[in-house]
Amino acid sequence: GAVVSQHPSWVICKSGTSVKIECRSLDFQATTMFWYRQFPKQSLMLMATSNEGSKATYEQGVEKDKFLINHASLTLSTLTVTSAHPEDSSFYICSARDLKGQPSNQPQHFGDGTRLSIL
Amino acid sequence: QKEVEQNSGPLSVPEGAIASLNCTYSDRGSQSFFWYRQYSGKSPELIMSIYSNGDKEDGRFTAQLNKASQYVSLLIRDSQPSDSATYLCAVNPIGGATNKLIFGTGTLLAVQP
Repeated sequence: GAVVSQHPSWVICKSGTSVKIECRSLDFQATTMFWYRQFPKQSLMLMATSNEGSKATYEQGVEKDKFLINHASLTLSTLTVTSAHPEDSSFYICSARDLKGQPSNQPQHFGDGTRLSIL
Repeated sequence: QKEVEQNSGPLSVPEGAIASLNCTYSDRGSQSFFWYRQYSGKSPELIMSIYSNGDKEDGRFTAQLNKASQYVSLLIRDSQPSDSATYLCAVNPIGGATNKLIFGTGTLLAVQP
C-alpha cells in the first residue's frame, strides 16, 4: 500500500518551456502533498505544501509564480515549472500523506521523482 | 541551530557489521520520527517509523528513540553492500498542522564487501 505515482520520470526540454509534473496517490487519499527539489549531492529541499482545494503554501525563497501548484482532488497534485531555464534543472520529488489515521503519525510516501533537464 | 541534525558521513562499515546512524532534533515536543533510505539518483523510501521511547525492530533494522535526550537512531544489523545509501532522519515537529516533516541532511552509509 501507500503508493505514490509521479509522472513523467524524465523531461528534457528547451529553455522557456513550461513543464507540468503530476503526482498521484494510487491507493490512498491525501489532502496534503509536498513538492521537493534536490540538486546533485545535496539534501532534499521542500518547495511547497500542496493543499487540496486551497492555495499551496510555499517555502521562503520559492517563487509561487514560477512554480505553480494545483491540488484539484484528493489523489492528484500537479507542479508546473513555468518558463523553465537551465538553472531549474533538478530532481523534483513529490510526497503524500494518507488522509486516514492520526495526522502527526502519518509518514510521507514519496513518488519516484522527475528529473528535469532544461537545455 | 538546525532542527534535525545528522552526520553527513560517509560512514563506512564492513559487510556483516552493525551500522549505527544517529540523528538529533531540536523541537522537544516532536512526536513522530521516521527513517528514510535514498539510493543515489532515486527518491526516498520509508524504512521505519517510531513514536515512543525505546526500541522498535523490523527485520535487520532497529530504530531507537530517546525523547529526553532528543535523539533517534537507526541500527542496521548484518550490513550488506545493498544497504549502501543515504539515510534520512525526519521529524514531525509539535504543532505541525500540515504535517510537514523536517528532514536532516542525511548520512551516507558505505558497506564495504
